[in-house]
Amino acid sequence: NAGVMQNPRHLVRRRGQEARLRCSPMKGHSHVYWYRQLPEEGLKFMVYLQKENIIDESGMPKERFSAEFPKEGPSILRIQQVVRGDSAAYFCASSPPSVVDTQYFGPGTRLTVL
Amino acid sequence: GDSVTQMEGPVTLSEEAFLTINCTYTATGYPSLFWYVQYPGEGLQLLLKATKADDKGSNKGFEATYRKETTSFHLEKGSVQVSDSAVYFCALSDSGGGGADGLTFGKGTHLIIQP
Repeated sequence: NAGVMQNPRHLVRRRGQEARLRCSPMKGHSHVYWYRQLPEEGLKFMVYLQKENIIDESGMPKERFSAEFPKEGPSILRIQQVVRGDSAAYFCASSPPSVVDTQYFGPGTRLTVL
Repeated sequence: GDSVTQMEGPVTLSEEAFLTINCTYTATGYPSLFWYVQYPGEGLQLLLKATKADDKGSNKGFEATYRKETTSFHLEKGSVQVSDSAVYFCALSDSGGGGADGLTFGKGTHLIIQP
């Protein structure tokens, strides 16, 4: 059973460009979470999604950030008009419907904004 | 709101030493508690968890006991190895009603084990 997959692993963007981060949950997992890790800090919750629904986006910045988890395909975290402060590691996690409080993490996407 | 506080690092120990990493929490409900480990350049791996008071989580020689009276979940290991060098995160999930929730993390403790 493959783990949580994220791609790309590393992404470099110039200020003002768009960043798209992808996450494929573990097989059988219907809950997806996105977190951001700034240097020397812990992970901060951004958004929680189920298929075609955003359940909790209380940690998402109000502007430029959006997330989706379509019926088919991976979950996407989209950052428009990136700024240097968006440079961070972005982690995706998934959990199964039966054990929702236990999350399994992907390897992360390290975004660098030049 | 919910919060998790961990001891500041880095923590440097010699191989075979006893390890304790302190973790305390505040939560409005009855949280589940977790320890995750992050090796350099990798994502987080679930190390152990406990879902109710007095539960003990254990894995790979690590243990942590859910202490409701002291709101703590300290991580311990009797004899550390060089391969245990990593960053350790304490976290909680305050979804006591059984629904899912984002995890609240501490800032992490960098553990360095010297041979």
